[in-house]
Amino acid sequence: DGGITQSPKYLFRKEGQNVTLSCEQNLNHDAMYWYRQDPGQGLRLIYYSQIVNDFQKGDIAEGYSVSREKKESFPLTVTSAQKNPTAFYLCAAGQAKLSNQPQHFGDGTRLSIL
Amino acid sequence: AQSVSQHNHHVILSEAASLELGCNYSYGGTVNLFWYVQYPGQHLQLLLKYFSGDPLVKGIKGFEAEFIKSKFSFNLRKPSVQWSDTAEYFCAVNAPGGYNKLIFGAGTRLAVHP
Repeated sequence: DGGITQSPKYLFRKEGQNVTLSCEQNLNHDAMYWYRQDPGQGLRLIYYSQIVNDFQKGDIAEGYSVSREKKESFPLTVTSAQKNPTAFYLCAAGQAKLSNQPQHFGDGTRLSIL
Repeated sequence: AQSVSQHNHHVILSEAASLELGCNYSYGGTVNLFWYVQYPGQHLQLLLKYFSGDPLVKGIKGFEAEFIKSKFSFNLRKPSVQWSDTAEYFCAVNAPGGYNKLIFGAGTRLAVHP
């Protein structure tokens, strides 16, 4: 079944801990994205990557880091510098420059603080 | 910077009522517009999109949206809602020529009562 796979579905973080959210795609899309969803604020872009080994900061990158070593994978690390990490995190994939094409989204990871 | 405004944060309707959700964007140039829907417990999925041509676009499940350039609007409509339309709806915009980055509105939570 093609699509975006995010894991885990639920994740708990302790104070001072870094956690990594996984995102894998088998759609062969060049671009991948991480969004953060908070109630009443919609989706805000954290990081995006247009091609392997390249990524750019989105609107709210502080406290997060990413890597793009493979086309299929775009993991997001929520570092201890992110003081308010409790949110729903969505990964997406799409065409890098065909902006009339939709992005495809995973099921999300809900991160909470212990 | 581009922004997207969704005027209604929560909408409650009875089945068979008509629906219109407002969406306005701030970018003055050519845009591509999207409506995404997030059903409870499911991933974000595309409802419909506009990038050129007929300003009235039809999507899945009987939804349609009208692009009015002079009003910078892309309102979503459905003549008769069903209980299964209960979901959160997001309007999004991107500008061609750049990277495929979406700017989302804050979302509208729709609850349809039987």
